[in-house]
Amino acid sequence: SQQGEEDPQALSIQEGENATMNCSYKTSINNLQWYRQNSGRGLVHLILIRSNEREKHSGRLRVTLDTSKKSSSLLITASRAADTASYFCATATGTASKLTFGTGTRLQVTL
Amino acid sequence: KAGVTQTPRYLIKTRGQQVTLSCSPISGHRSVSWYQQTPGQGLQFLFEYFSETQRNKGNFPGRFSGRQFSNSRSEMNVSTLELGDSALYLCASSFSGNDGYTFGSGTRLTVV
Repeated sequence: SQQGEEDPQALSIQEGENATMNCSYKTSINNLQWYRQNSGRGLVHLILIRSNEREKHSGRLRVTLDTSKKSSSLLITASRAADTASYFCATATGTASKLTFGTGTRLQVTL
Repeated sequence: KAGVTQTPRYLIKTRGQQVTLSCSPISGHRSVSWYQQTPGQGLQFLFEYFSETQRNKGNFPGRFSGRQFSNSRSEMNVSTLELGDSALYLCASSFSGNDGYTFGSGTRLTVV
């Protein structure tokens, strides 16, 4: 079963624009992580935000977490063609070390 | 430092056969997890090992099993393969299991 639902399912933007993806989840979490996947290959860890944090930045990435709404968003600023990929949120609950992934957002950045 | 290494990259098996996939984690990482990715079900957690002990298990049938060795390397085995087992199998390692994971490139298994 999947904990998270992401929207939009697909997003197409032009280079230089910002991309925002949203993730909603169902149960209380320990932390929430975002990953990128290129063309069905392995996932790349982007950022981890803990349940007691509200916002985190890493380079062009900004992640917010609203535990009252059970939702998170990933903002990629000044998108590049190389950002074209699928983006997944994943939640870790309690002391469990397993990740429950969302359905993913396919981002297409065109020149 | 070397990343997570999964072998083989591609595999074609026949229904009813069994298969073993291998994963070498990042040096120093003690937690190794396995995931199955399919177009229909997305990314599904299989199991996690920490210091040779299975710490978490997903909702997969007993045909799916795994183990971890003293050097943290891990294997997963699928017996009596079914067509529905065709998927990308991803291994991920982490220092403790409570931080971000580093994923391998995956093994793409096709069952015919």
